[in-house]
Amino acid sequence: DGGITQSPKYLFRKEGQNVTLSCEQNLNHDAMYWYRQDPGQGLRLIYYSQIVNDFQKGDIAEGYSVSREKKESFPLTVTSAQKNPTAFYLCASSSGLAGGFNEQFFGPGTRLTVL
Amino acid sequence: GNSVTQMEGPVTLSEEAFLTINCTYTATGYPSLFWYVQYPGEGLQLLLKATKADDKGSNKGFEATYRKETTSFHLEKGSVQVSDSAVYFCAARGSARQLTFGSGTQLTVLP
Repeated sequence: DGGITQSPKYLFRKEGQNVTLSCEQNLNHDAMYWYRQDPGQGLRLIYYSQIVNDFQKGDIAEGYSVSREKKESFPLTVTSAQKNPTAFYLCASSSGLAGGFNEQFFGPGTRLTVL
Repeated sequence: GNSVTQMEGPVTLSEEAFLTINCTYTATGYPSLFWYVQYPGEGLQLLLKATKADDKGSNKGFEATYRKETTSFHLEKGSVQVSDSAVYFCAARGSARQLTFGSGTQLTVLP
């Protein structure tokens, strides 16, 4: 079964701790994305990566970091510098950005709660 | 950059009622347009899409037509079911190839 997996589904952390959210895809997609979803605000782009070993900041990158060492993996670290990290985090992927229509496929999400 | 404005919810309908969720966009050029659906506790699923003016996207009884003159992509369904209860997101993808989402519209269909 091809798709995107995110783990864990629910995550709790104490203030001041860094936490890493996992995102894996077996769709052979070049591009991957992280979004944050807050109630009533839709999705906002945190980081995206068009190719292995390359990534760019999205609209709300402050307090977050990513890596893209493998094509299938794009982990997101929520650092202690993120002032309001409690949210639902969604990972997505799409085929190469070079032209054409590239639908984004989404994972099931991780709900992060800071205690 | 692009922006997408959606009809605010929540929307509550009875089963078999007609549904319209309005969506308008602001973009440079001609973006591709999408509707995504999110069921409780899940990620987003692509519902339908349109890539150029006058295209009509359709899926599972839902339709939306890309209207360049009004910069709109309203979602419609002739007869909703309880199983259609979800949050619906309109999105636009421009030349930078990034998706810009609307704020989402919560739909509840009552039996």
